[in-house]
Amino acid sequence: DIQMTQSPSSVSASVGDRVTITCRASQDLNGWLSWYQQKPGKAPKVLIHSTAILESGVPSRFSGSGSGTDFTLTISSVQPEDFAVYYCQQAKSFPLTFGGGTKVEIK
Amino acid sequence: QVTLRESGPALLKPTETLTLTCTFSGFSLSTVGMCVSWIRQPPGKTLEWLVVVCWDNAKYYSTSLRTRLTISKDTSKDQVVLTMTNMDPVDTATYYCARYLRQNNYYLDSWGQGALVTVSS
Repeated sequence: DIQMTQSPSSVSASVGDRVTITCRASQDLNGWLSWYQQKPGKAPKVLIHSTAILESGVPSRFSGSGSGTDFTLTISSVQPEDFAVYYCQQAKSFPLTFGGGTKVEIK
Repeated sequence: QVTLRESGPALLKPTETLTLTCTFSGFSLSTVGMCVSWIRQPPGKTLEWLVVVCWDNAKYYSTSLRTRLTISKDTSKDQVVLTMTNMDPVDTATYYCARYLRQNNYYLDSWGQGALVTVSS
């Protein structure tokens, strides 16, 4: 199984800050990496797939980058509705695996 | 518009078998590239992928849970059924079904609202 390691596990930010979350895979993903946002009591929602493709309707302040085993989710200017938990997930091979999550909290 | 909804028991006793149904609309599981997957999330913990069934009836399972899981699809009813045997309190979680796209792009693009399953004696 491919192991996914996210960091940090939590980050405190003020509205307007730039936030970066990283995800490292135990093997090359060939770009098959997605990011999901989850708010309390809600199902996850996809933000980005295939490393950098923004899902329809997702604000452009979210962006993804990376290659090989190292990937990044960036929120260019955090907004109040962005405070949530973020997960990365690899789709290189089954079984699919998720990272441990990063909680973005209000400073 | 794609929608998915999980249904099944909210409470089980240890050793019982869980059966969950995912009823979906807005797509067909006979269309190339379409799959339905199950993911669970224990309270306060991360997401754990369980299993997937695809348009061609290919099935893939979690390494750690494969002996306890069965997935099946009923294309005529637009339903996918998950069974998990020998339930234990550690299996208490919210269980989600989600559409998984498996052609050109590979990701979980639509999720159900989730079903909380509690295992307790």
